[in-house]
Amino acid sequence: AQSVTQPDIHITVSEGASLELRCNYSYGATPYLFWYVQSPGQGLQLLLKYFSGDTLVQGIKGFEAEFKRSQSSFNLRKPSVHWSDAAEYFCASTGTASKLTFGTGTRLQVTL
Amino acid sequence: GAGVSQSPSNKVTEKGKDVELRCDPISGHTALYWYRQSLGQGLEFLIYFQGNSAPDKSGLPSDRFSAERTGGSVSTLTIQRTQQEDSAVYLCASSLYFGSTGELFFGEGSRLTVL
Repeated sequence: AQSVTQPDIHITVSEGASLELRCNYSYGATPYLFWYVQSPGQGLQLLLKYFSGDTLVQGIKGFEAEFKRSQSSFNLRKPSVHWSDAAEYFCASTGTASKLTFGTGTRLQVTL
Repeated sequence: GAGVSQSPSNKVTEKGKDVELRCDPISGHTALYWYRQSLGQGLEFLIYFQGNSAPDKSGLPSDRFSAERTGGSVSTLTIQRTQQEDSAVYLCASSLYFGSTGELFFGEGSRLTVL
């Protein structure tokens, strides 16, 4: 069965520091991969997505993610974190463009 | 409306009561999804609609849960005889069509607390 793993439940970084959130997927073929962000009291917003082609994808708010087939990973990165990036981040995948399977999320805390 | 609208935003109910949660998707979006978000559990898929039909109900946790969609627009998720384990945030999302590259637009959710 398709699954998504986010090994880090909670991450704290200082403002201005770089960020990497981990995501591993389990699927036989190449899945479609997504990162969503959920700010407190708000719905989820799509940050970026990968379907095929260039394995480094750019998203909104300065985020990027790299698809690595050999590691079954799709890690989210940002070179310099802002305090407003504090939120919960969800990685998701779908194998046949059907319903999304989400990871359990990583809560990001940003210290000033 | 401009986005996905859900109501109520908060619902507190007593164990055993029935509740209805409403979702109004983005106009023109044919696909509608319900997810449940429990603390530490991520997002759990419940059901999706393509138009008014629900081809995949596999995520509904029990027969106490049901959902319908009318007119290809508004959807209602009904939970009968609520239990404490039903306490969660219920999220609705819509997309232009099913399988449309995975870009789902989410509402802010309905937080259900069962006492």
